[in-house]
Amino acid sequence: EAQVTQNPRYLITVTGKKLTVTCSQNMNHEYMSWYRQDPGLGLRQIYYSMNVEVTDKGDVPEGYKVSRKEKRNFPLILESPSPNQTSLYFCASSPPNRVGQFFGPGTRLTVL
Amino acid sequence: TQLLEQSPQFLSIQEGENLTVYCNSSSVFSSLQWYRQEPGEGPVLLVTVVTGGEVKKLKRLTFQFGDARKDSSLHITAAQTGDTGLYLCAGAISVGNEKLTFGTGTRLTIIP
Repeated sequence: EAQVTQNPRYLITVTGKKLTVTCSQNMNHEYMSWYRQDPGLGLRQIYYSMNVEVTDKGDVPEGYKVSRKEKRNFPLILESPSPNQTSLYFCASSPPNRVGQFFGPGTRLTVL
Repeated sequence: TQLLEQSPQFLSIQEGENLTVYCNSSSVFSSLQWYRQEPGEGPVLLVTVVTGGEVKKLKRLTFQFGDARKDSSLHITAAQTGDTGLYLCAGAISVGNEKLTFGTGTRLTIIP
């Protein structure tokens, strides 16, 4: 089944404790992206990647890092999480022909 | 950052009624996508429109891209309870998907 998977689905952590949210897609898509979704603010892009080893900042990249060493994986790294990073995070992927993005099921992160 | 405003923010109507949701911006987009998101899940792509004035139909859903490619509408005919969800529009300023700007969404509830 073609899908985007994220792990973990739920995470509660404390300020300053480094964490990684994994994202994997099995559709051989070149493009992958991370978003956060907050009430009243909608989905905002954090980082995106056009292909392996090619990443770029989205609209809200501060406090996040990403890497794209393999085509299928695009992990999101929070080196020192803070409470304002409490949010619902989505990973997405798409082929390069503008047909829209496929989203993962989301990761709900709480930083205490 | 381009802004996409959706209206209304909330809409609650009886089953069988018709409705229209709007997505407006002062920016020109190369394409515009509509997604539906249900609780606990990621957004699911409904349609992508790319040509000014384009109209696409998906069963009871009709999507239109404005002539100037700055706005779009989603019309649902004879709403059903299964249409309940959060509807999101997203605009791409470039040919690819890399920089998507999402609207804040319209939360639609269809009452049986």
